[in-house]
Amino acid sequence: GENVEQHPSTLSVQEGDSAVIKCTYSDSASNYFPWYKQELGKRPQLIIDIRSNVGEKKDQRIAVTLNKTAKHFSLHITETQPEDSAVYFCAASDSGGYQKVTFGTGTKLQVIP
Amino acid sequence: NAGVTQTPKFQVLKTGQSMTLQCAQDMNHNSMYWYRQDPGMGLRLIYYSASEGTTDKGEVPNGYNVSRLNKREFSLRLESAAPSQTSVYFCASSALADTGELFFGEGSRLTVL
Repeated sequence: GENVEQHPSTLSVQEGDSAVIKCTYSDSASNYFPWYKQELGKRPQLIIDIRSNVGEKKDQRIAVTLNKTAKHFSLHITETQPEDSAVYFCAASDSGGYQKVTFGTGTKLQVIP
Repeated sequence: NAGVTQTPKFQVLKTGQSMTLQCAQDMNHNSMYWYRQDPGMGLRLIYYSASEGTTDKGEVPNGYNVSRLNKREFSLRLESAAPSQTSVYFCASSALADTGELFFGEGSRLTVL
């Protein structure tokens, strides 16, 4: 089955700096890569996703890159703000009949004002 | 629209007791899922239902059963609770079985003594 590894497990940055979270996946059949943000005590919510036919996607201050050859993808947050503090999960999924989403173990991001 | 609603939000059980977590979605989604979240382990899929009338095991199904009661409702049952089932449980739904955003409920915190 799919295995998703996520690094780092914790990340502290100064407000205004950039943050990068990296994930690797094992199953070359995976073709959908979402990122979820979970604030303390809240439910995970999708913030951005990318499909395997795209190398990069941006949405305001967040961007995701995908390297299919190396089987890794990354989340980039620029100009970090205190409200970016949360746990971020990467995930990988193949489209083989149902959405078998495998999540990484999460990165706790702390943005220091 | 309430989205995905799950009950109860908190529950304390003794070892060997049984209970059912209820989940309902009002988004007319076809697919529904049950995940558990444990510290440092991300979100792990317990069971899923790709469409009404079907259910299948996920990554960690042992000790659980599910029922897709209708298109809206998907319940998770613990027949004989064990301390290892202490966790936060999330129900989720998605519009399509093979790709797309997961919409999560608020979570149910279960403690088994």
